[in-house]
Amino acid sequence: SSELTQDPAVSVALGQTVRITCQGDSLTTYYATWYQQKPGQAPLLVIAEKNNRPSGIPDRFSGSNSENTAYLTIAGAQAEDEADYYCSSRDSSGNHYVFGTGTKVTVL
Amino acid sequence: EEQLVQSGSEVKKPGDSLKISCKGSGYRYSSYWIAWVRQMPGKGLEWMGIIYPADSDIRYSQSFQGQVSFSVDKSISTTYLQWSSLKVSDSAMYYCARLRIVGSTHYFDLWGRGALVTVSS
Repeated sequence: SSELTQDPAVSVALGQTVRITCQGDSLTTYYATWYQQKPGQAPLLVIAEKNNRPSGIPDRFSGSNSENTAYLTIAGAQAEDEADYYCSSRDSSGNHYVFGTGTKVTVL
Repeated sequence: EEQLVQSGSEVKKPGDSLKISCKGSGYRYSSYWIAWVRQMPGKGLEWMGIIYPADSDIRYSQSFQGQVSFSVDKSISTTYLQWSSLKVSDSAMYYCARLRIVGSTHYFDLWGRGALVTVSS
């Protein structure tokens, strides 16, 4: 299967830590990348495979993985982190790509 | 500044044809794959496929194969997404995104703002 499954929604208290999960068979071969999407905006790359943060992304965002699961952790969540988050990776063929189902993060 | 600029919103009728565009600037356009991504209202991101501007190599998602077509005009650094006969179900936001490949690392690092396509009778 080339599907990536995420929890539909998670909430986190302001300043606390939240971990978002992404599960899929392709993750045993390929690392996940993570994208943040705020309402009315295009997706924004926050983690470029495993744990590489693009310039401008706060260091409270980090990525990790274990077997067929990838994780995005936001340590000390801020109000501006409230958004939808999508994981992505190559599919099992290696030539196509797939996005996860998305997780809505609410900061309380 | 590196950017992808997409064409504007479109309102079409079922059966109409449509071609939307994605123009790159600020980088060597031909050297990077461009992806198309669909987002239906209130839904998640769906990878439609990619095209390599240098040689027009194309990979379509199985879900979109035969439903859309990609093309490129290298001379103006522009990639196109085209429909020959739109359906109401094609109503969505469509994003283009640059695929960056660094060794075995692949990620979409630059995104257009999206083009909203509305198909309604």
